[in-house]
Amino acid sequence: QQQVKQSPQSLIVQKGGISIINCAYENTAFDYFPWYQQFPGKGPALLIAIRPDVSEKKEGRFTISFNKSAKQFSLHIMDSQPGDSATYFCAAKTNNNDMRFGAGTRLTVKP
Amino acid sequence: NAGVMQNPRHLVRRRGQEARLRCSPMKGHSHVYWYRQLPEEGLKFMVYLQKENIIDESGMPKERFSAEFPKEGPSILRIQQVVRGDSAAYFCASSPGTGVTYEQYFGPGTRLTVT
Repeated sequence: QQQVKQSPQSLIVQKGGISIINCAYENTAFDYFPWYQQFPGKGPALLIAIRPDVSEKKEGRFTISFNKSAKQFSLHIMDSQPGDSATYFCAAKTNNNDMRFGAGTRLTVKP
Repeated sequence: NAGVMQNPRHLVRRRGQEARLRCSPMKGHSHVYWYRQLPEEGLKFMVYLQKENIIDESGMPKERFSAEFPKEGPSILRIQQVVRGDSAAYFCASSPGTGVTYEQYFGPGTRLTVT
């Protein structure tokens, strides 16, 4: 049973375009929603995170939008660059460190 | 401050052998988590440990898998009598404490291949 559903599975975007990745969850005990970026052969690295009392968080070209009532959140990458090509994972965490990951989105940014 | 360290980075085992994966958390971190990643899939939680204690092992297979985090030394994930289905990347993460906003920092992973 997947507690965090992520889509799309893969995404191809032109350089300069907007990449959008969506996630949905069911467990209302989740209270923290990080996004991780993973390059081939490397471990996941925290990119940006949001708490449910905020509807949007922006850091540079990366923005998380959060809809608590719909139990959905998304990552937007503005002005996507070839260096952004990686696999992105959304995650949801409870306050006792129980963290569940989405299945991942493989992003390819074409030059 | 060194990050989370895992070794070996690559491990090849024949079916039936034992695999031992080691994880040294970041300095000052006393919470360790193990995850398994199959090709083209997300990370699946296996076990959460604090020093000398297993806090949550709900994601760990009941047989052949065990984990420890001793008072001194790294955390160890041990897989006995490995089978081909155990081939995966195993990631360790650490955090400085409990609480929802404590980040988990990941190591580079150990890629286990069972032949």
